Amino acid sequence: DIQMTQSPSSVSASVGDRVTITCRASQGISSWLAWYQQKPGKAPKLLIYDASSLQSGVPSRFSGSRSGTDFTLTISSLQPEDFATYYCQQANSFPPWTFGQGTKVEIK
Amino acid sequence: EVQLVESGGGLIQSGGSLRLPCATSGFIVSSNHMSWVRQAPGKGLEWVSVIYSGGSTYYADSVKGRFTISRDNSKNTLYLQMDSLRAEDTAVYYCARSGNGPGYFDYWGQGTLVTVSS
Repeated sequence: DIQMTQSPSSVSASVGDRVTITCRASQGISSWLAWYQQKPGKAPKLLIYDASSLQSGVPSRFSGSRSGTDFTLTISSLQPEDFATYYCQQANSFPPWTFGQGTKVEIK
Repeated sequence: EVQLVESGGGLIQSGGSLRLPCATSGFIVSSNHMSWVRQAPGKGLEWVSVIYSGGSTYYADSVKGRFTISRDNSKNTLYLQMDSLRAEDTAVYYCARSGNGPGYFDYWGQGTLVTVSS
């Protein structure tokens, strides 16, 4: 199975900060990668798919990029509603599909 | 409006069985790929199973041979039959619809908690 290694596990940041989360795939997945946001007690929400495509309705301060098997989620200017846990997920052609361990974005 | 609503969770003894329905509206279940994803308390997300629109099914190794995904087209409902339950199956179970690609989940239910007591 493809393993997804996400870092950091947590990050403390202030409103207005630029936040970057990374995810590394254990093997090539092309651009089959998604990013999700999850708030406590709620279902995950799709933010980014195909590594860099913004899901409809998601603010443009969220962006994604790829370099080989390394993927990055960037929040350009952190807003109060962005404090949450973020997960990457590989969506390679066939299952099983796997998630990263998650990154908790906390208030500094 | 697309909606997914899971039910059927609860407390069950180890070795027991449970069936989780996911009632949907706003789209046709049989025309979409549908998955179950679970989250153990305080832990990350784990994909469990998918049923493709064509009917093919796949499972995570952790549940293969014990769980069965299915759908009832007349009720527009997805199901997860869980047999031989173990303590490590304790989790919130989400149903999710695939969108923008087979492995991406664009709509999710609110989740239902399954607790397996040993």
